[in-house]
Amino acid sequence: GAVVSQHPSRVICKSGTSVKIECRSLDFQATTMFWYRQFPKQSLMLMATSNEGSKATYEQGVEKDKFLINHASLTLSTLTVTSAHPEDSSFYICSARVLAIREQFFGPGTRLTVL
Amino acid sequence: EDQVTQSPEALRLQEGESSSLNCSYTVSGLRGLFWYRQDPGKGPEFLFTLYSAGEEKEKERLKATLTKKESFLHITAPKPEDSATYLCAVQGSGGGSYIPTFGRGTSLIVHP
Repeated sequence: GAVVSQHPSRVICKSGTSVKIECRSLDFQATTMFWYRQFPKQSLMLMATSNEGSKATYEQGVEKDKFLINHASLTLSTLTVTSAHPEDSSFYICSARVLAIREQFFGPGTRLTVL
Repeated sequence: EDQVTQSPEALRLQEGESSSLNCSYTVSGLRGLFWYRQDPGKGPEFLFTLYSAGEEKEKERLKATLTKKESFLHITAPKPEDSATYLCAVQGSGGGSYIPTFGRGTSLIVHP
């Protein structure tokens, strides 16, 4: 149980295009989903927290107009990187949680490369 | 502000050489301490949740313990497949947001 999927696992795009990443909780309903970014050999950097049906809460320094998050249902959240640039290249990981005091379960991650 | 410090940053062990990873924390109203394992190029894999001082949990060669200031992840007789980065996170009740704070991780390499 507690499986989280992400799609795609890897994407390469040209500068200026938009990329959408999907995160799904496969066997449970997630009241909260998180989006992280991770640079090589560094820890997780929280980008935003989203609750189903509510607007996402972005961490300081994260541009909400560039990283659009939609949490339309209890099993699906999407992250859209708009007008991507090479500096947006990174490893993006989502996670999902059932209750506020419980652990998160992470997806396998999406490697984004912007040329 | 919640803080998590993991040590050492990197650890090299020989197969069978037991050791411990440390996670020191400060948090306003601990609601949970979490351990994860992350392999290169993958998302973190959940290992344990500890809720109160004195609590211990085990899974195969791993055992997690918790005090009011720190948590240890004990690895007994490690194997090369235990090589990974181990992440610790704490969740407090400050502000009511219940957003976990992660440490920078300990990179473990087990040599055969």
